[in-house]
Amino acid sequence: QKEVEQNSGPLSVPEGAIASLNCTYSDRGSQSFFWYRQYSGKSPELIMFIYSNGDKEDGRFTAQLNKASQYVSLLIRDSQPSDSATYLCARLGAADKLIFGTGTRLQVFP
Amino acid sequence: EAQVTQNPRYLITVTGKKLTVTCSQNMNHEYMSWYRQDPGLGLRQIYYSMNVEVTDKGDVPEGYKVSRKEKRNFPLILESPSPNQTSLYFCASSFAIGGRNTDTQYFGPGTRLTVL
Repeated sequence: QKEVEQNSGPLSVPEGAIASLNCTYSDRGSQSFFWYRQYSGKSPELIMFIYSNGDKEDGRFTAQLNKASQYVSLLIRDSQPSDSATYLCARLGAADKLIFGTGTRLQVFP
Repeated sequence: EAQVTQNPRYLITVTGKKLTVTCSQNMNHEYMSWYRQDPGLGLRQIYYSMNVEVTDKGDVPEGYKVSRKEKRNFPLILESPSPNQTSLYFCASSFAIGGRNTDTQYFGPGTRLTVL
């Protein structure tokens, strides 16, 4: 079982819709989680981090964490074609190591 | 401008020819790390450093060396590159807060390495 699992996609949504990206993890002791966006050939850039159960909102993005069920999700409201990218879920492991999932490719079509 | 820089950005080399990929950050971060990214495997940590003169292995350290003589620099050394080290490499840095680091890790622009 992978430590952090994501569906590779692609997830295709129409412009203006809500994109829902999901991630599950195996280590129950995990405390901190991150969502990164990566455009093709570019470096990952942080969108949000979350470490408390519940929702955290930042603009069009909402991260949701459920530690009992061991999943974390990212909702993108009013999706735009510029949101088309690969979204990486990561948890913080020992010694500040980021443990990444393999990413979900999101396609937003006009 | 706060940034992590890497050089070179692209490199094609041959098996066995030693190479160094440089990484530098201007944010006074204690923590620096190297990752490699491969299709289907995602980002995997190679080495990390909590501070000057403190380095440790990540998940895939075989075939790599690092050093941390200064806080801002964290070079990645491939003493004898092999084709299985063909990959996209990222350097990252952040402030380290002893395992509960919620600060962002800033990533460099990446180095695409091809070993023939």
